[in-house]
Amino acid sequence: QKEVEQDPGPLSVPEGAIVSLNCTYSNSAFQYFMWYRQYSRKGPELLMYTYSSGNKEDGRFTAQVDKSSKYISLFIRDSQPSDSATYLCAMSARRTALIFGKGTTLSVSS
Amino acid sequence: AAGVIQSPRHLIKEKRETATLKCYPIPRHDTVYWYQQGPGQDPQFLISFYEKMQSDKGSIPDRFSAQQFSDYHSELNMSSLELGDSALYFCASSLEGGLSYNEQFFGPGTRLTVL
Repeated sequence: QKEVEQDPGPLSVPEGAIVSLNCTYSNSAFQYFMWYRQYSRKGPELLMYTYSSGNKEDGRFTAQVDKSSKYISLFIRDSQPSDSATYLCAMSARRTALIFGKGTTLSVSS
Repeated sequence: AAGVIQSPRHLIKEKRETATLKCYPIPRHDTVYWYQQGPGQDPQFLISFYEKMQSDKGSIPDRFSAQQFSDYHSELNMSSLELGDSALYFCASSLEGGLSYNEQFFGPGTRLTVL
């Protein structure tokens, strides 16, 4: 079992929909949780950073971390065609490298 | 805002040749990470440096080496290249002592093709 599990999709939604992306993990030492957006052949772009449990909101994006369930989520409100990309969750313990999920491919149609 | 710079952006090499990839972190960032991303795969951690010292090591082949210089830029040296080394290589940087520990920002990547 991989340390981080993420449904690869693809996920297709109409413009304006609310998108929910999720990851589960097994390592209870993880404390730092991130979501990256990656367009084809480009570098991952950091969208959200969360330390430990809780919610964080930034514009149309909301990140949630539930350490008791080892489950993290990213919600995208009012999705746009420009949101079409691969979304990678990533996490780490202190002083360790990031462990990524496989990424979920999202397609938003206009 | 300044981002992570990587060069070259594209590189084509023959088998058994050597390659050097360069990374310039965000100004004032003190930690550099190298990742390898194969087609359709998630990034895999190779190696990291903090204040010019190796801080962590992942699945980096013995044929690869890396270092961080006094100006904090880093180079990944790859020798005896194999076909399987063809991938996107990303550099990321972070500020160890910052408020958002381990918040890593990625560069645009170097696409290495080994023929």
